[in-house]
Amino acid sequence: DIVMTQTPVSLSVTPGQPASISCKSSQSLLDSDGKTYLYWYVQKPVQSPQVLIYEVSNRFPGVPDRFSGSGSGTDFTLKISRVEAEDVGVYYCVQSVQHPKTFGQGTRLEIK
Amino acid sequence: EMQLVESGGDLVQPGGSLRLSCAASGFSFTNYWVTWVRRAPGKGLEWVGNINQDGSMKFYVDSVRGRFTISKDNAKNSVYLQMNSLRTEDTAVYYCARDQRFFDYWGRGTLVTVSS
Repeated sequence: DIVMTQTPVSLSVTPGQPASISCKSSQSLLDSDGKTYLYWYVQKPVQSPQVLIYEVSNRFPGVPDRFSGSGSGTDFTLKISRVEAEDVGVYYCVQSVQHPKTFGQGTRLEIK
Repeated sequence: EMQLVESGGDLVQPGGSLRLSCAASGFSFTNYWVTWVRRAPGKGLEWVGNINQDGSMKFYVDSVRGRFTISKDNAKNSVYLQMNSLRTEDTAVYYCARDQRFFDYWGRGTLVTVSS
């Protein structure tokens, strides 16, 4: 199984400041079709999870442009350019290049 | 509007069984994979398993393989998670989600508690 490792486990950010979450996979997420199947989700308090980024760097419709994803192979990053209060939640990276699909352990974002 | 609704969560004793349902509206399960994800208390999200469009392909995480079975009734636009030999560590909120390699629409979840 592919292991997804996120850092940090938690971060506390002042509104308006940037935030960055790293995700490393134990195997390359590049598929034979040329696509890299790495996704980012957030679960906000008392809500269901929601997708933010698909295939490394594509924002899902409706996701603010302050969210961006980057990376390749086994190393990926989610960046929030200016954190807002509504961004509180737990962020997860997920791989879908092979079964079983696997989540990172999550990164809890708090607001200072 | 696309919507997924889970049901069937309950309190069950260790070793018991439970069947969860996931009903869709606004789109047809005939055209999509469906995934189940769970979140145990104080823990992160865990992918449980998924099923393809016609129900001919199913995948599971190791911890539930042989105990959980996913099935589909396209006529009812519903997916089911049959959970047998339940363990205390299966206690979690279970979500179903439309699966297009990524999970774009999710239900609100249903709580399963395994306890004596």
